[in-house]
Amino acid sequence: GQQLNQSPQSMFIQEGEDVSMNCTSSSIFNTWLWYKQDPGEGPVLLIALYKAGELTSNGRLTAQFGITRKDSFLNISASIPSDVGIYFCAGIYGGATNKLIFGTGTLLAVQP
Amino acid sequence: DSGVTQTPKHLITATGQRVTLRCSPRSGDLSVYWYQQSLDQGLQFLIQYYNGEERAKGNILERFSAQQFPDLHSELNLSSLELGDSALYFCASSGSLGSPLHFGNGTRLTVT
Repeated sequence: GQQLNQSPQSMFIQEGEDVSMNCTSSSIFNTWLWYKQDPGEGPVLLIALYKAGELTSNGRLTAQFGITRKDSFLNISASIPSDVGIYFCAGIYGGATNKLIFGTGTLLAVQP
Repeated sequence: DSGVTQTPKHLITATGQRVTLRCSPRSGDLSVYWYQQSLDQGLQFLIQYYNGEERAKGNILERFSAQQFPDLHSELNLSSLELGDSALYFCASSGSLGSPLHFGNGTRLTVT
């Protein structure tokens, strides 16, 4: 199935470090979203981006909608143990459907 | 709590059987989406309904079908089950077009 290219695939960091992950696509999206998934649970929305160039923060998280509308990044500052999980980017093409296409995910492990 | 409710949480069944997964969307959301998550395929879009009508189809097998009822809850029917159908099945809902999807905690299906 169709997926966005997300990198890195996994990250193992120390508590307090900053983290950066990104997502690229060959297609243009109207909306970029970032989700976090904990084991055994559904993806939880972290940040939503609606305009090219938009930079949005949610606490220690910052995400940007690329100017070309084909990419997005997510930064996490001063990581803490509860940041552990899988982070997914997702894009919505727009039009008559609201179908979400997901990235391949970034597994984040934070060592205290 | 996303407000999206999925039942059952776990389902174990044998090959060749048929199961029904149920989803109640967030209050006020008209769109319901179904996704399949397996280890090697990530989150794959299956199908979307909007106010009772099918709106978009993804990688949904012919053995699978879904519907959305007048009260907006949705059911995903999986028949002639195969071992490879073992996965997490997520339901999500959203309001207007372009708005983020909110996910339930999924149904874990194990086919033995």
